[in-house]
Formats: sequence, C-alpha cells, structure tokens
Amino acid sequence: TQLLEQSPQFLSIQEGENLTVYCNSSSVFSSLQWYRQEPGEGPVLLVTVVTGGEVKKLKRLTFQFGDARKDSSLHITAAQPGDTGLYLCAQRTGGFKTIFGAGTRLFVKA
Amino acid sequence: EAQVTQNPRYLITVTGKKLTVTCSQNMNHEYMSWYRQDPGLGLRQIYYSMNVEVTDKGDVPEGYKVSRKEKRNFPLILESPSPNQTSLYFCASSFTETLANEKLFFGSGTQLSVL
Repeated sequence: TQLLEQSPQFLSIQEGENLTVYCNSSSVFSSLQWYRQEPGEGPVLLVTVVTGGEVKKLKRLTFQFGDARKDSSLHITAAQPGDTGLYLCAQRTGGFKTIFGAGTRLFVKA
Repeated sequence: EAQVTQNPRYLITVTGKKLTVTCSQNMNHEYMSWYRQDPGLGLRQIYYSMNVEVTDKGDVPEGYKVSRKEKRNFPLILESPSPNQTSLYFCASSFTETLANEKLFFGSGTQLSVL
C-alpha cells in the first residue's frame, strides 16, 4: 500500500511568518491534491498538481510538484490566523481509491 | 447549494447497538466514499461506490457495511459497533472516479463515540 508521509506533523507560528510543509511518497504520483480542513468541517480542495515540476499559486499559497513526481510542497507566505487548519495531501489511485497523508496541523498566532 | 449532507453530526452509542450514518449529495455525482479520521492516521477509506449498486472495500472495511440503492444516498451501517470504531467519519463524493484529478466534496463529518 502506498503511503503519503507529511511533515511536519504540527507547526505553530506567528502571524506574518513564512512556512513550508511537505508531502512525500516512495512511489510516483500520477497527480497530487492538497486539501485544507478547518475544525468541525470536512476537507476542502485547494489545488491539484499533475505535471512534474509544476508550480501553482493560490494567493499566498504556492504549491510545487517535484520533478520526479514523488514529492510535493506547500509554501505559505506571510501566514495569517485564517490559514490555521489541517493541511492534507492526497492521491487518487487508478483503483478507485484515494490515499491521504496524516496531515500537517498549522496554528497561526495573531 | 451543492453539498454533501451527513447525519447525525454527533452520535454516542453503546457496544453492539446497530446504527446508520446517512450521507446524501445533490450534485448527481457517480462516485461516493466513506472515510474515518483518527489522530495521527489521517483519513482512511472504508468503502466506496462507483455508481448505483456498485460498491467496493477501501482500506479499513471491517465492521462496516454500505449500500447504494439510489445515486444520491450512500449510508454507512455499523451492525455491531465496538469502541475501536469511535472516530470522526466523513462522506465524500465526486462526479466520477475515472479522472485522477477529480475534486472530492466532503460532508461536515459525524463524530461517533462507542461506549
């Protein structure tokens, strides 16, 4: 079973700081999705990356897909309290299953 | 409004008492799935359904049943709940499963406690 490893597990930072979280696998991804989950809610899709080396931006969030398609990163610039949440990476396999990482729990202090 | 609706949001029950968690989507999605979320383990897939009357096991199906008699509904059934099924449960749907970049829509979750 393919596993997605996310790091760090927990991150607590001050408002205005930058941060990067990672998602890694021993196998090649066909594509990778990033979700954010806020307390009391289900995950919400942020982005899907498909091509090796691809970079996508969503306001202050930058998503990168590794050249070998075995890793991905999410960088947040000037974090705000509204960025607080659980960030999950996920891969939808060809066998109709979706695998999620355990997530990075981010807390941004005002 | 496009949404996935789960009920109930919170449920406390006792070991062995059968329960059903309902899930309904109003987007005419073909694909539906159930996950459980436990601290440090992330989301693990329990069962999924590719369409009406088509279901299959995910990674952690033991102790659960599902049915897909209608396209919009995908209930999760625990015939004899046990304490190790205490967890946060999510239902999700997408238009299809054939595209690897298809977006999953999640419900708001059901927090289940089995005493």
